[in-house]
Amino acid sequence: EPEVTQTPSHQVTQMGQEVILRCVPISNHLYFYWYRQILGQKVEFLVSFYNNEISEKSEIFDDRFSVERPDGSNFTLKIRSTKLEDSAMYFCASRLSRGLSYGYTFGSGTRLTVV
Amino acid sequence: KQEVTQIPAALSVPEGENLVLNCSFTDSAIYNLQWFRQDPGKGLTSLLLIQSSQREQTSGRLNASLDKSSGRSTLYIAASQPGDSATYLCAVTGPGTSYGKLTFGQGTILTVHP
Repeated sequence: EPEVTQTPSHQVTQMGQEVILRCVPISNHLYFYWYRQILGQKVEFLVSFYNNEISEKSEIFDDRFSVERPDGSNFTLKIRSTKLEDSAMYFCASRLSRGLSYGYTFGSGTRLTVV
Repeated sequence: KQEVTQIPAALSVPEGENLVLNCSFTDSAIYNLQWFRQDPGKGLTSLLLIQSSQREQTSGRLNASLDKSSGRSTLYIAASQPGDSATYLCAVTGPGTSYGKLTFGQGTILTVHP
């Protein structure tokens, strides 16, 4: 069964540094997402991406965050000037279509620890 | 703003028992509802998706129902097994999103003991 692949599985970074989280969505999927889950809290929406542009973002996704699909296969989340409160599990997800019958496929996540 | 709540927060049952997990949402104008399973430190595995026009979906020992008008969904697990131990999350899409943003509940932690 096709999978969404995320790397690295765990990233430790110093506060103030930049990190890039990488995702390879399912190859024929068109809609891409990042979610995050702070330990013990709900999974939260960050951003959706379609047709090489951001289609929707949450208030969490401030100007320190950016996404891009540089080569038609990878989908990256960049966080600049990381803060302690950015520590969370970050999940990438993709969908074939935004039709009502189409569900999400999630990756296994990247655990980001900011120290 | 859509809010999703799951009850109970945790559930411990003996193997073989049938069980029900509950999910409620505040705005009934959803597009669809999806149940996920999350193992500790791992990603989310999709279990069932119910479109807003549907009443239920079944996959193996799992059955999910949706009562959109009352803002409720249940996940029924038959003949539970220790391998079912995980956190179960429900999530809804809509209203107010064109690109399928999911709003999640906080999950039910299920433990099935032998």
